[in-house]
Amino acid sequence: EAGVTQFPSHSVIEKGQTVTLRCDPISGHDNLYWYRRVMGKEIKFLLHFVKESKQDESGMPNNRFLAERTGGTYSTLKVQPAELEDSGVYFCASSLNMEEQYFGPGTRLTVT
Amino acid sequence: QKEVEQNSGPLSVPEGAIASLNCTYSDRGSQSFFWYRQYSGKSPELIMSIYSNGDKEDGRFTAQLNKASQYVSLLIRDSQPSDSATYLCAVNRGDSSYKLIFGSGTRLLVRP
Repeated sequence: EAGVTQFPSHSVIEKGQTVTLRCDPISGHDNLYWYRRVMGKEIKFLLHFVKESKQDESGMPNNRFLAERTGGTYSTLKVQPAELEDSGVYFCASSLNMEEQYFGPGTRLTVT
Repeated sequence: QKEVEQNSGPLSVPEGAIASLNCTYSDRGSQSFFWYRQYSGKSPELIMSIYSNGDKEDGRFTAQLNKASQYVSLLIRDSQPSDSATYLCAVNRGDSSYKLIFGSGTRLLVRP
């Protein structure tokens, strides 16, 4: 069974540019989560999808972040325009039952 | 006060010893508890989950939960150098999204 995959693995962009991160969950997992780890901090929740619906987006830092999950399969997280403080590692996780969550390898975003 | 607290370490143990990793949490309503292992630059890997008071064993790993003391621990028996990693404690408060609240992690070093 394939795990959670994320693309790209690394992204370096300039302040003000746009970046789109993609996550493919484990097949059959309706629950998809986005988390972020900024330098020196804990991994923090961003939002949760159940199929294509946003269940909880309380962790989204501001309206520069937009997440979608069209068709309830893969998800994208767009940052527009990117700021320096958006740098960090963005993790996606998926879950069958909302209990055990399985993480992808992450996308390391660097905003210069 | 952080919601999930872990000693950052490093915790250094000799090969073959028992490594004991500890975690405390502040929300008494927390329902599910998880230990993730993260090697440098890799994704968090779920190694143990525990939902009720007491011990849960899986191979060389034992998770212990004491809800009255709001304390979770992970014991690793017969520690191996390959166990050297950062161990993340995560707590699920059982809200609508079952989002995980992470500690900052404890770095474990197993000396050959």
